[in-house]
Amino acid sequence: AQSVTQLGSHVSVSEGALVLLRCNYSSSVPPYLFWYVQYPNQGLQLLLKYTSAATLVKGINGFEAEFKKSETSFHLTKPSAHMSDAAEYFCAVSENAGGTSYGKLTFGQGTILTVHP
Amino acid sequence: GAVVSQHPSRVICKSGTSVKIECRSLDFQATTMFWYRQFPKQSLMLMATSNEGSKATYEQGVEKDKFLINHASLTLSTLTVTSAHPEDSSFYICSASRSGEAFFGQGTRLTVV
Repeated sequence: AQSVTQLGSHVSVSEGALVLLRCNYSSSVPPYLFWYVQYPNQGLQLLLKYTSAATLVKGINGFEAEFKKSETSFHLTKPSAHMSDAAEYFCAVSENAGGTSYGKLTFGQGTILTVHP
Repeated sequence: GAVVSQHPSRVICKSGTSVKIECRSLDFQATTMFWYRQFPKQSLMLMATSNEGSKATYEQGVEKDKFLINHASLTLSTLTVTSAHPEDSSFYICSASRSGEAFFGQGTRLTVV
């Protein structure tokens, strides 16, 4: 069984400030971890993913995340927030079991990021 | 990246009617697709795994007779909400996997009145 916990349903930052969105996971097998962004009434866009290679993963739009096995965490960061980053962000885990498990995701509760001018 | 197209993007239907949602992988073949449901201000919950040429696998608590899934080809899966009721109003999203990554459709906003 696997689960994802995102700490903080809402995060508010000023434009130019550091963005930190927290994600902790639980998985009985080595996980694949993902961060997705969702704009209102749209599907999900992949920001980045961890698939057991480098623990520091760089994604699109300046986002990155670090896999810390000892802390079971995969927090998302961005050094400088832009207004266009305002959206909802989801952390997700997939069992690293191959085959049809790929794409079968368990999502966190989501974090709404607000960026103030 | 791979493209997954979902149709329609919005649908309003009367209570008691059925609604079909299509999910297509446009530039790759997907033997497996996934259907998720997202209630307002909540996360995505996996409803079922759609397998090409065989029966779908439903998650616990999801009524298979209400949410009919058909995956007749390698590029198309359909979700039919039968005898829809207002509580079925939600955002439905499909995904298809390729090379270890899930690609999502744009989602379908279903409103049952």
